[in-house]
Amino acid sequence: DQQVKQNSPSLSVQEGRISILNCDYTNSMFDYFLWYKKYPAEGPTFLISISSIKDKNEDGRFTVFLNKSAKHLSLHIVPSQPGDSAVYFCAANPQGGSEKLVFGKGTKLTVNP
Amino acid sequence: NAGVTQTPKFRILKIGQSMTLQCTQDMNHNYMYWYRQDPGMGLKLIYYSVGAGITDKGEVPNGYNVSRSTTEDFPLRLELAAPSQTSVYFCASRTTDRGGQPQHFGDGTRLSIL
Repeated sequence: DQQVKQNSPSLSVQEGRISILNCDYTNSMFDYFLWYKKYPAEGPTFLISISSIKDKNEDGRFTVFLNKSAKHLSLHIVPSQPGDSAVYFCAANPQGGSEKLVFGKGTKLTVNP
Repeated sequence: NAGVTQTPKFRILKIGQSMTLQCTQDMNHNYMYWYRQDPGMGLKLIYYSVGAGITDKGEVPNGYNVSRSTTEDFPLRLELAAPSQTSVYFCASRTTDRGGQPQHFGDGTRLSIL
């Protein structure tokens, strides 16, 4: 049973426009949500995180929004650049000090020049 | 900075063979993890360790073993390779178990069992 869902396997946007990547979760017992970016033949790299007590976190071109009532978070990239083309994973950290991050299946973002 | 280093990068095994995937980190992190990623899927936790001498099972531990004799190293052992273990394996580490603390990943080992 998937606790973290990324329902869009792929997304294509034009350079300079906004990219919005979505993630839904089913378990209310997550205390942090994290986004990772992955290029081919490399490991995932951490991008940005958000605590469950917040609704927004911003870091440069990247902003993550959390809607707890809808159990939904989104990653906004503005403006999108060709170098942002990668697979983006949403991950959730269970409360209580659990080590077991739960990952979504990922969304492949392509930014066209 | 080396970070998390995994070896080998690629390997082909025959069914029934055994091998060890190596993982070492130079960040003095207590927490280390092994994941596998199958095509079109997210990362699934195989085993993890909260410090030298302490390991525990993750979501998909069957067919694998781990050990953690030092802070730096966390090898993953496949004893009897099966085609279902064809996957990309990632090792990761992090400094604390605080929820917002990110994990640092190696570049992966691509393993094919034929």
